[in-house]
Amino acid sequence: SQQGEEDPQALSIQEGENATMNCSYKTSINNLQWYRQNSGRGLVHLILIRSNEREKHSGRLRVTLDTSKKSSSLLITASRAADTASYFCATVVSNFGNEKLTFGTGTRLTIIP
Amino acid sequence: DAGITQSPRHKVTETGTPVTLRCHQTENHRYMYWYRQDPGHGLRLIHYSYGVKDTDKGEVSDGYSVSRSKTEDFLLTLESATSSQTSVYFCAISEKDPQETQYFGPGTRLLVL
Repeated sequence: SQQGEEDPQALSIQEGENATMNCSYKTSINNLQWYRQNSGRGLVHLILIRSNEREKHSGRLRVTLDTSKKSSSLLITASRAADTASYFCATVVSNFGNEKLTFGTGTRLTIIP
Repeated sequence: DAGITQSPRHKVTETGTPVTLRCHQTENHRYMYWYRQDPGHGLRLIHYSYGVKDTDKGEVSDGYSVSRSKTEDFLLTLESATSSQTSVYFCAISEKDPQETQYFGPGTRLLVL
């Protein structure tokens, strides 16, 4: 089973609106990362948030992390057509120096012009 | 796509034939990874490398082997392709640590008939 699960699986909003995606995970993490994937392309790193951080910003992106609830959210403000993509969370679990990224199944975001 | 190329980009092959996918990086990053992406599963780690000639298994390594004879090249081999290995394969790199940001190649779409 996946360590990280995104919710919703798919989201459609009007251009200019804000988009919020959530990620829940099962075990304690070292960090959590968000990636974007445009159709037919590789993944692009967006933000990394560490377990001792609660919020990070990057341009129109805002990521929060609640370790007590084992969840994270990605907020994209003032959405644009170019934000149409799949968004994945990836978690890193402490494993005695053998840490790896584990990806969720993603949220497909569609921005309607 | 941060100095990462994958070849071929598309391949159709028949069950039972060997297939080798190549990942080439120009970033001189230490870590290299092979993932496969399938609907409903997100990205799953096949194998990774932490240096020349140093490799280890990931979550779904059965039926795959890898080699890294040079820093810049990481090869993924399917010794005898099966239809279950039809997938999109992504190479990724990271500079210092598997926990940190990973940079992805454009992907190879493999169809095994």
